[in-house]
Amino acid sequence: AQSVTQLGSHVSVSEGALVLLRCNYSSSVPPYLFWYVQYPNQGLQLLLKYTSAATLVKGINGFEAEFKKSETSFHLTKPSAHMSDAAEYFCAVSDRGAGANNLFFGTGTRLTVIP
Amino acid sequence: DAGITQSPRHKVTETGTPVTLRCHQTENHRYMYWYRQDPGHGLRLIHYSYGVKDTDKGEVSDGYSVSRSKTEDFLLTLESATSSQTSVYFCAIMASGGASYEQYFGPGTRLTVT
Repeated sequence: AQSVTQLGSHVSVSEGALVLLRCNYSSSVPPYLFWYVQYPNQGLQLLLKYTSAATLVKGINGFEAEFKKSETSFHLTKPSAHMSDAAEYFCAVSDRGAGANNLFFGTGTRLTVIP
Repeated sequence: DAGITQSPRHKVTETGTPVTLRCHQTENHRYMYWYRQDPGHGLRLIHYSYGVKDTDKGEVSDGYSVSRSKTEDFLLTLESATSSQTSVYFCAIMASGGASYEQYFGPGTRLTVT
């Protein structure tokens, strides 16, 4: 069974500081992993994805994530936070089912950026 | 932009009434999904479709039904709405082709059941 745990429902960082959002997964198959961002009153936007190629994945808006099999982790980072990064972030794992590819989401981490 | 629209965007309804939410896509994607988003739960899959007239249940399907009579439209019906179905509902599609399995989401429908 697939599941995702996001540690910390709320994270606050100062503008210009490192952003680190944590995601640990459980999967019965080699996982496909995703990070999505949600701005207020909007849908989810794909930030980046891991699909068994390079373990360090770069996404949009300067974010990146590293797949670590030994730690079953896929943490999201950004070297320098910007005010526009304030949003809710969701980690998800795919069940890589026979075509349907259902995603299992974590409960989300709300990022606040302090000026 | 994956060409996904949802209607209505906001709806308030009374307990016991039927409600239908519509998801429309313009790019002929085979796979479509309905999720609900609730605080503390993230997104949870309600139903999904893998083609016209082909649907299956997700994690939280009780109290919901779906239909897909055309590739472009995926309807979610609450037969008799309850207050526990107050939520934000998102439709998604899986990008066709390749093997990366990412999903793209619509703007959401905020449903309030009073």
